[in-house]
Amino acid sequence: AQSVTQPDIHITVSEGASLELRCNYSYGATPYLFWYVQSPGQGLQLLLKYFSGDTLVQGIKGFEAEFKRSQSSFNLRKPSVHWSDAAEYFCAVATNNAGNMLTFGGGTRLMVKP
Amino acid sequence: EPEVTQTPSHQVTQMGQEVILRCVPISNHLYFYWYRQILGQKVEFLVSFYNNEISEKSEIFDDQFSVERPDGSNFTLKIRSTKLEDSAMYFCASHLRPTDTQYFGPGTRLTVL
Repeated sequence: AQSVTQPDIHITVSEGASLELRCNYSYGATPYLFWYVQSPGQGLQLLLKYFSGDTLVQGIKGFEAEFKRSQSSFNLRKPSVHWSDAAEYFCAVATNNAGNMLTFGGGTRLMVKP
Repeated sequence: EPEVTQTPSHQVTQMGQEVILRCVPISNHLYFYWYRQILGQKVEFLVSFYNNEISEKSEIFDDQFSVERPDGSNFTLKIRSTKLEDSAMYFCASHLRPTDTQYFGPGTRLTVL
């Protein structure tokens, strides 16, 4: 069964600083990979996804992520964080079987200092 | 832009009562899901539904849970006899094809007293 690990539970960065959120997955084949963001009291919004092809994917709000098969990682990055980026970020993996359920990591809560 | 909607946004119930959480997926989508998120924890898969039957379900989805697509638009999750530990945010999601992104609704917060 697939699993996702987000090693950092909380991260605090200063506004304008760069950001990298880590995600490692466990799955036998190449999975479908996602990053979702959840603002307080809100639902889940897709930031970006990787299915195949170019291993560096661009998403909304200036985010990008890089799939590294050798490291089983799909880290999320942003060059310059804005105060509005404060939220909880979830990495998720899906397989291409009939159920296609998403397996989520535990999430990383991002706080942004002014 | 089309979106997944869920009602109610917040449901409070007494332990042992039945609840039905409602979702309206995006209209042309074919695959439907329920997930839940206990406060402070990660999002967990409950069940997937395609072609009017359950495709996959997790260990959480025991015989107290059921899903139904009673008409062409609604997708419901029923909990027959709620327990305190059922208190959570319940998210509905849908997509057109297995390789597509799942679009999530805003969630229903269920509080069991």
